[in-house]
Amino acid sequence: DGGITQSPKYLFRKEGQNVTLSCEQNLNHDAMYWYRQDPGQGLRLIYYSQIVNDFQKGDIAEGYSVSREKKESFPLTVTSAQKNPTAFYLCASSTYGTAEKLFFGSGTQLSVL
Amino acid sequence: GDSVTQMEGPVTLSEEAFLTINCTYTATGYPSLFWYVQYPGEGLQLLLKATKADDKGSNKGFEATYRKETTSFHLEKGSVQVSDSAVYFCALSSGGGADGLTFGKGTHLIIQP
Repeated sequence: DGGITQSPKYLFRKEGQNVTLSCEQNLNHDAMYWYRQDPGQGLRLIYYSQIVNDFQKGDIAEGYSVSREKKESFPLTVTSAQKNPTAFYLCASSTYGTAEKLFFGSGTQLSVL
Repeated sequence: GDSVTQMEGPVTLSEEAFLTINCTYTATGYPSLFWYVQYPGEGLQLLLKATKADDKGSNKGFEATYRKETTSFHLEKGSVQVSDSAVYFCALSSGGGADGLTFGKGTHLIIQP
């Protein structure tokens, strides 16, 4: 079945550590997105990519980095510069040039030890 | 910039009650409007959408009408079930939506038997 797979489901970060969240899709979508979800805050856009080897910052990109070396994959690294990383992270994808219908993964809950 | 405002939750109703979740938006141009639903521990799923004024989106007994004059897209259901308990997000895309959707903060709906 086509879909988006995020892993791991739960992740713990130590002080000063970088961690990477995985996002893989087999929907043949060109565009991929990373959102952060905090209780009562809704979803906020971190980074997005419309094609391979290209990506743009969203509203809250500071302390995060991404890469898009393959169409199917869009990993997110939470760096030590992100001082408040505890949140639920959601990856999504859509066909090129439009977010008319986003498909979401099941999310990764990141917590700080 | 674009923004979405939806009613604060949680909203608690009895089974078979009538549901309304209010959503209003601010956007340039003519955005497309969406309702997404999130069940506990999962990603978001598209519930319904409308792409132009006076369109009505509907799915699984839920409906919402795109009202340009009041910049609103209220979600309604005539008779809710316990299985409808979830968090509901109103969202919009403008300018083709290539840079993702703008989400409201979400409304937690609790249906009691």
